[in-house]
Amino acid sequence: DQQVKQNSPSLSVQEGRISILNCDYTNSMFDYFLWYKKYPAEGPTFLISISSIKDKNEDGRFTVFLNKSAKHLSLHIVPSQPGDSAVYFCAASPDNYGQNFVFGPGTRLSVLP
Amino acid sequence: DAGITQSPRYKITETGRQVTLMCHQTWSHSYMFWYRQDLGHGLRLIYYSAAADITDKGEVPDGYVVSRSKTENFPLTLESATRSQTSVYFCASSEGVGNYGYTFGSGTRLTVV
Repeated sequence: DQQVKQNSPSLSVQEGRISILNCDYTNSMFDYFLWYKKYPAEGPTFLISISSIKDKNEDGRFTVFLNKSAKHLSLHIVPSQPGDSAVYFCAASPDNYGQNFVFGPGTRLSVLP
Repeated sequence: DAGITQSPRYKITETGRQVTLMCHQTWSHSYMFWYRQDLGHGLRLIYYSAAADITDKGEVPDGYVVSRSKTENFPLTLESATRSQTSVYFCASSEGVGNYGYTFGSGTRLTVV
């Protein structure tokens, strides 16, 4: 059973619009969450994080929202740009020790010009 | 060059052969990780290391061996490769606990025939 789910394998958005990538988790002990972006033939790159003491974290065009009661987090990208086209992974952990992060299967975002 | 490098980028090997994937980082990060990426599974942790000479199993360690005699190197060995180990392997490093995120290498695509 996957503890971290990204139920949309792919998402297409028009340039300039908002992209919303969703992530659901089943383990109520998860308290730390990360988002990574991955381009083809490259390793994932860290994008943004949030811990359970917050419900929102913002970094430029990227905002992550956390709803602990629903065990759901989302990544908003506004405005979306063609360079944002990549696979996005959500990761969750019960603590902030790196070895305990569990990754979701990823969502492929395509931003259309 | 500063960063985290993996070698080789691509490898084809035969079933039953031993193969070693190399990982080298220049930051002196304490933590290093090996992940494999398979379609539908996201990134799954194979092994990790908290410091030189300290290693521990992750989610999917069977069939793999690691060592960390020096802080900067973390090789992953498949003792007797199987077709199920065909995957993309990512090495990552982190300066420690916390929401720092990891820095990933560019990956090694391994095919076992």
